[in-house]
Amino acid sequence: ETGVTQTPRHLVMGMTNKKSLKCEQHLGHNAMYWYKQSAKKPLELMFVYSLEERVENNSVPSRFSPECPNSSHLFLHLHTLQPEDSALYLCASSQEAGGSYNEQFFGPGTRLTVL
Amino acid sequence: GQNIDQPTEMTATEGAIVQINCTYQTSGFNGLFWYQQHAGEAPTFLSYNVLDGLEEKGRFSSFLSRSKGYSYLLLKELQMKDSASYLCAVMDSNYQLIWGAGTKLIIKP
Repeated sequence: ETGVTQTPRHLVMGMTNKKSLKCEQHLGHNAMYWYKQSAKKPLELMFVYSLEERVENNSVPSRFSPECPNSSHLFLHLHTLQPEDSALYLCASSQEAGGSYNEQFFGPGTRLTVL
Repeated sequence: GQNIDQPTEMTATEGAIVQINCTYQTSGFNGLFWYQQHAGEAPTFLSYNVLDGLEEKGRFSSFLSRSKGYSYLLLKELQMKDSASYLCAVMDSNYQLIWGAGTKLIIKP
């Protein structure tokens, strides 16, 4: 148990659907992250939130929309996705968003397939 | 650009020793992390190096040479459960983690 949970674990959606991914951390951390993990590629940082404020947005297409209502919860809203968006979406949290030693704790991920 | 290189896949025998290398070119350096990720599971933290030298933690050790932009993860007395992907990540000058693509380690009996 890593203290970071994600739902759903698997999601299949059509390109016209709207869905949301949910992440919850039980570690009392102040920073939360969304990553995209594609096969044989490095983890791609999508969004960073620190104390519910977005501090990083790495040129992610607008069809991905994050929401952080409080420091324990993070959502990723999805709409009109493309097949190339199929990947594992990982949520992570850390004590702070900056700082040299900043171990990130990951959730198990949501395996997304876009048809 | 920023780049992290590590081998795509390695194979080793149960009970043996394996070394997984990672080389990096980043804008600044604020530490290097190794994570383990079993198939279908979350990455989990293994080690952190910010100064040159070897950090030992049980069967796992991690080495860093900042002047060479190089690190390795050493796994001793390999067990079947060590079959996983090992991710190298460097924290750059903006305190952002730059990730390698991971090394898939296959352990054979």
